[in-house]
Amino acid sequence: DSGVTQTPKHLITATGQRVTLRCSPRSGDLSVYWYQQSLDQGLQFLIQYYNGEERAKGNILERFSAQQFPDLHSELNLSSLELGDSALYFCASSPRTSGDSYNEQFFGPGTRLTVL
Amino acid sequence: GESVGLHLPTLSVQEGDNSIINCAYSNSASDYFIWYKQESGKGPQFIIDIRSNMDKRQGQRVTVLLNKTVKHLSLQIAATQPGDSAVYFCAENGGSNYKLTFGKGTLLTVNP
Repeated sequence: DSGVTQTPKHLITATGQRVTLRCSPRSGDLSVYWYQQSLDQGLQFLIQYYNGEERAKGNILERFSAQQFPDLHSELNLSSLELGDSALYFCASSPRTSGDSYNEQFFGPGTRLTVL
Repeated sequence: GESVGLHLPTLSVQEGDNSIINCAYSNSASDYFIWYKQESGKGPQFIIDIRSNMDKRQGQRVTVLLNKTVKHLSLQIAATQPGDSAVYFCAENGGSNYKLTFGKGTLLTVNP
């Protein structure tokens, strides 16, 4: 158990809908990262938050957004869902500050999103 | 551009044998490399990491080797056990402090 929790574990929805995925980082970790894992693209970095602020963006679609709250939990919002958004979405957290190049990330169990 | 690739998508070994999983990377700016293990239905689990100023690092039953000359990373698992069956990913940080670029993964199957 990494100490990172994600809810829900599974999510089934329809195209065009909007969903919110939730992540609680390990106690004390300030950085939260979101990744998408699909069969054809592998694990892709989406976005990072550090202590409530967005720090980096990766391959995140404009239909997707995220935020990190004062209690450090994070939410990933996916809107106007398409079939191709079906994937595993992982959250990871890191204890390091944003200025440190060391990057040990601990992953949660993931949310499996199925768009029908 | 950045890329991390794996030489072998699948590897099947006998229990007790040693396993070697290989990875090629292309970003010379990477100074941090990690191996993750992902079991079915679970998130990636950290195994071992290595900084670019090292060429070898050992953990419990695992060794990571880094060859910066040819941009190659390998994970060696000694005395492979059925519980080692999983997908193994290498990842590099590309010199950044936030983004990990993952390889496609190698499926390791350990036969009893």
